[in-house]
This record gives sequence, C-alpha cells and structure tokens, in this order.
Amino acid sequence: NAGVTQTPKFRILKIGQSMTLQCTQDMNHNYMYWYRQDPGMGLKLIYYSVGAGITDKGEVPNGYNVSRSTTEDFPLRLELAAPSQTSVYFCASSYRGTSGRGEQFFGPGTRLTVL
Amino acid sequence: RKEVEQDPGPFNVPEGATVAFNCTYSNSASQSFFWYRQDCRKEPKLLMSVYSSGNEDGRFTAQLNRASQYISLLIRDSKLSDSATYLCVVNNEKLTFGTGTRLTIIP
Repeated sequence: NAGVTQTPKFRILKIGQSMTLQCTQDMNHNYMYWYRQDPGMGLKLIYYSVGAGITDKGEVPNGYNVSRSTTEDFPLRLELAAPSQTSVYFCASSYRGTSGRGEQFFGPGTRLTVL
Repeated sequence: RKEVEQDPGPFNVPEGATVAFNCTYSNSASQSFFWYRQDCRKEPKLLMSVYSSGNEDGRFTAQLNRASQYISLLIRDSKLSDSATYLCVVNNEKLTFGTGTRLTIIP
C-alpha cells in the first residue's frame, strides 16, 4: 500500500494563478481531509469528505474548492492564488470519522509558495 | 481561549532523561484525545490515543484529566530519535490540533 500520496511536493505560484493539489489514497478509506499548516500554527481543516460525492467545509474553506468523484481521489483546487495561501498542505484519510480511533493517515504534504 | 493549547517549547533534554508535556483544551464536551508526532518537514503520525484511565506504550505514558481539562505525555529514557514536534489533538466531532511542542534530545 502506498497510503496517501500527494502531488506536487513543491510549487511556486504567481498571484492570481490557479492550481490543483492532487491527493490519492489506496486504503479504501471513506473519510478524507485537507489541512493547511502555517509556521508555528496548528493544522487547520480546509475541507473534508465522508464519502464519494459528499464534501463539507472545514474551518478555513475560503479560496479553495474540492471534489470527491471517487473513493480514492480528493483534489483541492486553488482559484486566484493569494500570498495568504502560502502554506504546507496535507491531505489525510481515515477509515472512520473521528468517532472511531481518530487515527488519520497523512500524505507527505505539498509546500506551496504564492509570490 | 484557544481550543487546544500547548507550550511550544523548545524543550532541550539530555538523552536518557524524562520529559513531560501538558496540553489544555477548552471544550469540556471533547470526546477523545490523541498525541501525534511530527518530524521536521514531514507529515504528522499518530503516536498514541489517550484514555481516561491513562495508558502506556513502552517508554510513553499518556494521561487525561477531564476535571482540569488537560492531557499529558511523559517520555522516559528519552532517545535521540524522540526529537520531534508533539501535537496534542482533541476530538470535538472533528480533530483540533494544537500548535505542537518541539522536543530536541541532546546527546
């Protein structure tokens, strides 16, 4: 099992550009999440999904969009990138929601810089 | 008040020593609690869950005090490989992560 994979690992964007961060998991997990982590800050939940076709906003969804057409994939779309979106983005998945063990499996992250 | 608060450190501890971290949470209805470990420039990984009765996993012991709304992590006989950031995580229908406590074990 590869677990949770993310691409790209690094990206530099210009203000106003768009991009999609890819996330794939091969553990057949229903739940998937997108977080951002800024220096010295905790992880903030951007969007999450409890299954294919279902997505919900997290704590900081503005400026982002997601889709969940399959169980495996959960891409994050940035439209009109802004310097405030410079961060490390982590995708995660879990077998059950937080009512379960609470273990989330994280991808290696995407380091995004917006200049 | 932050939902989850941790002392950011850094804690610089000699190898073999015992070190303890605390974490406080604001929501008394929080359901479950965890410690995650995050190595430099890597993703977080679950270290251990925290149970009401306290639990131990090798050199690591986690405690929960619901009355005072804090959880703790104790590391005994610390190893160089324990150097990392330790994230306190609280479940309130979603996982809320603390900002982490940075630990460096000194040879």
